[in-house]
Amino acid sequence: EVQLLESGGGLVQPGGSLRLSCAASGFTFSNFAMSWVRQAPGKGLEWVSVISGSGGSREYADSVKGRFTISRDHSNNTLFLQMNSLRAEDTAVYYCAKGSRGDFWSGYVMDVWGQGTTVTVSS
Amino acid sequence: DIQMTQSPSSLSASVGDRVTITCRSSQTISSYLNWYHHAPGKAPKFLIYAASNLQSGVPSRFSGSGSGAEFTLTINSVQPEDLGTYFCQQSYITPYTFGQGTKLEIK
Repeated sequence: EVQLLESGGGLVQPGGSLRLSCAASGFTFSNFAMSWVRQAPGKGLEWVSVISGSGGSREYADSVKGRFTISRDHSNNTLFLQMNSLRAEDTAVYYCAKGSRGDFWSGYVMDVWGQGTTVTVSS
Repeated sequence: DIQMTQSPSSLSASVGDRVTITCRSSQTISSYLNWYHHAPGKAPKFLIYAASNLQSGVPSRFSGSGSGAEFTLTINSVQPEDLGTYFCQQSYITPYTFGQGTKLEIK
């Protein structure tokens, strides 16, 4: 069974940093692209970032570009999101999601999601 | 960025009803449209890809249609477990934007 378990969320002050992790199991991790998606309180889903199965390609939403970095560790089957210069508007539940294939170009779908980890940016 | 607009933003249905949710994109996206269901307290669940293809294991009461810039999700015979929010998402080009969601309440 495919499982994704996020961790690393918490309360952080504006301008601070946080690193989210997503432990993956039940599939060959390096064969699939992975994404981060977030949901701010009372808002809809917002796609944040994606990384290819090989780790060689990454893309980011404009709202996080230059502040967030997505990466993956194939030896530990773990996806990361390094979040720097955090703002109040980054407050959200962050979900990791498995892609349906190794690349993330047109037709990309997120076929399995984790339960999410909550990030709160506040002083 | 491609803007995705869903309607209605919320609806209430009785068990057994048929409901339809519409999703429109700000530009043509061919059939690169996916649907997800987010039940309260649960992980989002992937339902439909490429506008009309049911993901394995998704009940056949769900169906999708459309192409270009207008799409629909239909639930035939709504069940209690269908409550929650439904999101469309375009996978035509990054950033892969979502609609704002349609919240389904069961009467």
